[in-house]
Amino acid sequence: GQQVMQIPQYQHVQEGEDFTTYCNSSTTLSNIQWYKQRPGGHPVFLIQLVKSGEVKKQKRLTFQFGEAKKNSSLHITATQTTDVGTYFCATDSWGKLQFGAGTQVVVTP
Amino acid sequence: EPEVTQTPSHQVTQMGQEVILRCVPISNHLYFYWYRQILGQKVEFLVSFYNNEISEKSEIFDDQFSVERPDGSNFTLKIRSTKLEDSAMYFCASRDRTSTDTQYFGPGTRLTVL
Repeated sequence: GQQVMQIPQYQHVQEGEDFTTYCNSSTTLSNIQWYKQRPGGHPVFLIQLVKSGEVKKQKRLTFQFGEAKKNSSLHITATQTTDVGTYFCATDSWGKLQFGAGTQVVVTP
Repeated sequence: EPEVTQTPSHQVTQMGQEVILRCVPISNHLYFYWYRQILGQKVEFLVSFYNNEISEKSEIFDDQFSVERPDGSNFTLKIRSTKLEDSAMYFCASRDRTSTDTQYFGPGTRLTVL
C-alpha cells in the first residue's frame, strides 16, 4: 500500500511563531488528508487535497499538495497554545486510511 | 452534531481473555472501520466493513480478530484471546456513501492487557 513519511517527528514552537510539517511519499498519491489529534484525543479530520498543486487555507493553517502529488505540507502561522497536538497526514485508498507517523507539536507560551 | 461513540472508554483484561469493543457509528453512515494506535505511535488500519461484510483487512487483523454489526446501530470488534501486544487505543470510524467523504472517528477505547 501507499506509505507516507512525515517530518519532523517533533516540533517545539514558541507561541506566535510559524512552523511547517511535511508529508512525503515515494509514489504518486490520489489524495492526502490531514488530521489533528489532541493529547489523549482522537484524530479529527482537517482537510483533504486531491488536485496537483492544490492549496487550501483554514484560518492560520495552510495546506499544500505538491505538483507531482508526492508530497504535502501543513503550515501554521502565529502558533497558539490551542495548536498543541499531533498532526497526521494520511492517504485514503477506498476508505482505508494509511497514516503517517505524525508530527507532535509542543507550544511554549 | 452527530458523532461516533465507543464503549467502554477503558478496558483492562488479562492475557488470553476475550474482549469486545463496541462502537455506535453515525446513523446514516454505511462504511465502518477499526483502527488502533499503540501508545506514541501512528494510527494503523485494522479493518473496513460495508454491507455486512469485511471489505478489507490489514495483516494485523489476524484470526483472533473479528467484527460484527449485530443490529442496525452497533459495530463491534472482538479480540478472542488477547495478547500483551494488543494493548493500544482502538478507534472506530464511520463514513458516508462516497469515497471522498470524511471519516469520523470515535473517542476510542483504551485496551490494557495485563
